[in-house]
Amino acid sequence: DQQVKQNSPSLSVQEGRISILNCDYTNSMFDYFLWYKKYPAEGPTFLISISSIKDKNEDGRFTVFLNKSAKHLSLHIVPSQPGDSAVYFCAASGTSGYSTLTFGKGTMLLVSP
Amino acid sequence: ETGVTQSPTHLIKTRGQQVTLRCSSQSGHNTVSWYQQALGQGPQFIFQYYREEENGRGNFPPRFSGLQFPNYSSELNVNALELDDSALYLCASSLSGDTDTQYFGPGTRLTVL
Repeated sequence: DQQVKQNSPSLSVQEGRISILNCDYTNSMFDYFLWYKKYPAEGPTFLISISSIKDKNEDGRFTVFLNKSAKHLSLHIVPSQPGDSAVYFCAASGTSGYSTLTFGKGTMLLVSP
Repeated sequence: ETGVTQSPTHLIKTRGQQVTLRCSSQSGHNTVSWYQQALGQGPQFIFQYYREEENGRGNFPPRFSGLQFPNYSSELNVNALELDDSALYLCASSLSGDTDTQYFGPGTRLTVL
């Protein structure tokens, strides 16, 4: 039973446009959500997070939106750059700290020049 | 500040054998988590060690075991290897399990023949 779902295995976007990566979750106990980026032959790198008490968190070109009622979050990248091409994982945690992460399967983003 | 390192990078074993994977955590981090990432899947939590004690465990059989040493480095041991154990094994270190500062190593690619 997948508790964190990323239904799009891949996404292609042109440089300069917006990339929107989506994530759905089923476990109501999750209250902290993270996005990780992974390049080949490297470990996942933390990108941005959001607590369930917020509906938006912004860090430079990256913004994460959380819709608790729909159990849905999304990562917006504006503007997209070719260096953003990587696999993006959505992860969820049951508490805001001292906890384990439940990951989605990932979405491969390809940003073309 | 040194990052998380893992050894070996790649490993090939045969069914029934035993394997030990190693992880050096980031300087100052006292918590280590291990994840298994099968092909096409997101990382799955195996277990977490905090100050040399197992702090939590995912849905993995007892033949998956671990250790954390006084310097907070860690080992993952897998006995009686099965073909399905073939995966990328990721180690992540953090300070007291704080999820948004989990730093991942590059992983060890294990192939079981």
